[in-house]
Order: sequence, then structure tokens, then C-alpha cells
Amino acid sequence: QVQLVQSGAEVKKPGASVKVSCKASGYTFTSYAMHWVRQAPGQRLEWMGWINAGNGNTKYSQKFQGRVTITRDTSASTAYMELSSLRSEDTAVYYCARGLRVTMVRGVTHYYYYYMDVWGKGTTVTVSS
Amino acid sequence: QSVLTQPPSASGTPGQRVTISCSGSSSNIGSNYVYWYQQLPGTAPKLLIYRNNQRPSGVPDRFSGSKSGTSASLAISGLRSEDEADYYCAAWDDSLTWVFGGGTKLTVL
Repeated sequence: QVQLVQSGAEVKKPGASVKVSCKASGYTFTSYAMHWVRQAPGQRLEWMGWINAGNGNTKYSQKFQGRVTITRDTSASTAYMELSSLRSEDTAVYYCARGLRVTMVRGVTHYYYYYMDVWGKGTTVTVSS
Repeated sequence: QSVLTQPPSASGTPGQRVTISCSGSSSNIGSNYVYWYQQLPGTAPKLLIYRNNQRPSGVPDRFSGSKSGTSASLAISGLRSEDEADYYCAAWDDSLTWVFGGGTKLTVL
């Protein structure tokens, strides 16, 4: 069955960086995208970005642009999310989620995005001095 | 940044039918599919409904989704105690980001 296994909890100081991993199994890693979504305590889910695991193309939320980097290692079927310049507001549970492509047609325009189906269990990142 | 609006709480008794609403705008729900996720306490979200009204394999047909204009709804019929969870709606927004609702905490009385 499809499984996403994330790395363990992290405690970081403000200004540091954190890198979270997500190892996929049970499906062809390169045929899907991988999202990263976070959830701060008591807050709504917040999308950070995705990576096309096949060609490595990424799309980031404007909110995190410049601070987040999503990469993948196809030989290890693993995706990574690195967040830099951490601040206390980045304290949250970080989830990876497999992405399935949706193609939309609007008039003569075609566009696509990926939706999230299977999620990892989450990685708690605590930012504290 | 656009967000989706859900009621913070909903409740029902076992066997009842409850609905959870999700309101958005023309740039998200109005022009893209709606997705629903169930988050049981202390666990990761689970996909419940995709493309407005499709159920993934394994999701009971007690769960159904609908969309009209810039709003969507999740209906749960034959309510069970194990349905007690947080429910989130989500949609792709034309500003090139995913937007989520604030979540609805469902209590089974």
C-alpha cells in the first residue's frame, strides 16, 4: 500500500534551517508529485509547495518563496523540504502528501495542478530560543 | 491570500445526517474542484472527497460532496461516533496556490 514515512521531530533555534524528509513506498515515485503542507497549532492547513518527482519541477506558495526548497532523490524515492530563516511562527507539524495531477480546460486555456491524496504522519518542527 | 470559510463546529446524534458548508470565491471554488479531508484527533488528514463529489476507494458512501457556484458542501449520513473529527475543504486558487478552509470540528453527541 502507499506509504509516506517522514523524518522525526526537530527543535531549532530562530534563524536556523530545517530539512524534513519523506520516503515513499508502494507506488512509482516518479509518476506523481509531492506536496508539503504545514499546520501550526490551532491553525488551518497551509500549502507550501510541490515538486514533480519525475522531472524535479517545483512550485512554491508565494508566502514561502525564497525560504523553502523542495527537492527529491529518485534513487531513494524520497522528497525533502528545507525551510530557512526559521522564526517562532514556523512552529508547526509539516506534512508531505502525494500529488495527483488534474488537468483543467478553460476556454482555449489548459492548466494543471496536483491534489493531495495520501499524507504522511507529519513531522513536528519546534522553533524556540 | 484567499481562504475558504467553514463553520467552526457542527454536531449531530448517531444516525443523523449533517452537512458542512465551505464558501469560497470565483478564483477557487468557482473555477476549480473542491476536495474534502478528514482529520481524526492526532492523525494526518485523509482524503474524503475529490473533484467535488468523488469518493476514493475505501471511503463509505455515507460521505458525499457537492458544489454550487462558489460554495460546496460535505454531507455525512448515518452519523457514527467514529466520524468525530475535523473536516477541511480545499481548492486550487487561480493565484497559483492551494487554499484551505479553517476546519469544522464535528461532534457526535
